[in-house]
Amino acid sequence: DAGVIQSPRHEVTEMGQEVTLRCKPISGHDYLFWYRQTMMRGLELLIYFNNNVPIDDSGMPEDRFSAKMPNASFSTLKIQPSEPRDSAVYFCASSELFPDNEQFFGPGTRLTVL
Amino acid sequence: KNEVEQSPQNLTAQEGEFITINCSYSVGISALHWLQQHPGGGIVSLFMLSSGKKKHGRLIATINIQEKHSSLHITASHPRDSAVYICAVGGSQGNLIFGKGTKLSVKP
Repeated sequence: DAGVIQSPRHEVTEMGQEVTLRCKPISGHDYLFWYRQTMMRGLELLIYFNNNVPIDDSGMPEDRFSAKMPNASFSTLKIQPSEPRDSAVYFCASSELFPDNEQFFGPGTRLTVL
Repeated sequence: KNEVEQSPQNLTAQEGEFITINCSYSVGISALHWLQQHPGGGIVSLFMLSSGKKKHGRLIATINIQEKHSSLHITASHPRDSAVYICAVGGSQGNLIFGKGTKLSVKP
């Protein structure tokens, strides 16, 4: 398996633009997680899905952020409109069972909002 | 007070030294994870444990549930071990709560 795939790897956009980050989890994994990493706050969980259903979105910072998982092999994290404080690295991870199993992380998307 | 505290924040060691990184937490957990983040940014899961001890190569992770404390040990450290090591605890709601990380630098 290729592991967790994220795209794009780097994204530079201007404030106010819509940004869409994509993730393909490892086949057969039931859980998918979106994390954000910044220098100030470290790693934070934004939202996670179980069998394509959002379970906990309490980490989503505000209404500008939304996440979907239309099927078992694809998820998106959308920011609309984007702001400079959204600049961070966004990681997607998947696992077979949670919290009883390890998570496999994608390479991350480095987002810069100018 | 952070729910997950790691120490030290930064650690410099000479190649071959025995290294210990500590993690204390204040919430009820179902599991504790140790992650490694490489200088290039990629994150790898090293261990997931809920009791006792686990060993993988030169890495050993222990957890004491009563004391709410975990340690990550690296024996015979090597420059390629240089990375940020992150402790994360699995909360009762299914979320992961992360420590701030320990930046390890191993000098040849």
